[in-house]
Amino acid sequence: AQSVSQHNHHVILSEAASLELGCNYSYGGTVNLFWYVQYPGQHLQLLLKYFSGDPLVKGIKGFEAEFIKSKFSFNLRKPSVQWSDTAEYFCAVKGTGANNLFFGTGTRLTVIP
Amino acid sequence: SQTIHQWPATLVQPVGSPLSLECTVEGTSNPNLYWYRQAAGRGLQLLFYSVGIGQISSEVPQNLSASRPQDRQFILSSKKLLLSDSGFYLCAWSVFGSVAGEGHVQDTQYFGPGTRLTVL
Repeated sequence: AQSVSQHNHHVILSEAASLELGCNYSYGGTVNLFWYVQYPGQHLQLLLKYFSGDPLVKGIKGFEAEFIKSKFSFNLRKPSVQWSDTAEYFCAVKGTGANNLFFGTGTRLTVIP
Repeated sequence: SQTIHQWPATLVQPVGSPLSLECTVEGTSNPNLYWYRQAAGRGLQLLFYSVGIGQISSEVPQNLSASRPQDRQFILSSKKLLLSDSGFYLCAWSVFGSVAGEGHVQDTQYFGPGTRLTVL
C-alpha cells in the first residue's frame, strides 16, 4: 500500500541553522513528489515539486529537495532558516497518472529568533 | 490567476444534522477537483475527486457524498453527521499539465483555505 512517512513531528531550530526534513515513501511505480507548506493561519501552499529529470529541485524561499530513488526519499533542505519559515511542512506523493495525493502527517518547524 | 474558495471557514454542527460545504475555483476551466480531510494528528486523506461535471469518484467508504453541479463548483455533503466526521476539510484543484518524455502526465494540486468542522 502507498504511504508517506515524515519522521520528524516537531523540529525546533535557531535562526541561521540548517534544516533537513525527512520524507520516505512507499509506492510501486513512477511517482511525482511534492512538499507543501502551511504557514500559521494560511492556505496549504506548494513549496516545490519533482516530476522528472534533475533529482535536485529548487523551490521558493531558498528551499530545495533531493529525490533519491534508491532510498525512496525526498528530503527537504534549507541551508539557513529564518523565523518566517516557522510553519508546518507536508511531504506528498502521487503516482503518475493517478489522482490520489498521499500525504505524510506533517512536520512542525519552529524557528527561534 | 487561479483562486480557490471554500466556505464556511469554520462550522460547528450537532450529530445527526446535515452538512454542505462548498468549494469554487476561478480562473481556470475544466479543472480536476478534490476533497481531502485531515483528522487530528493525521495526514490529509483523499475523500472524493472529480474530473468533470457530474463525475465523482470516491476513495474511501464513508458518511459523506460529493457533487459537482457546475464545472468549477464542488460540494461536500452529508445527510446525518457523525462525531467521527469532525476534521479539517480541504478542497483542491488541478489541471493536467504537459506529458513528460516518458509519457507520464504531470499535474499539481492547489489547495483552498479549508473548513474546520466540529461535530458535537
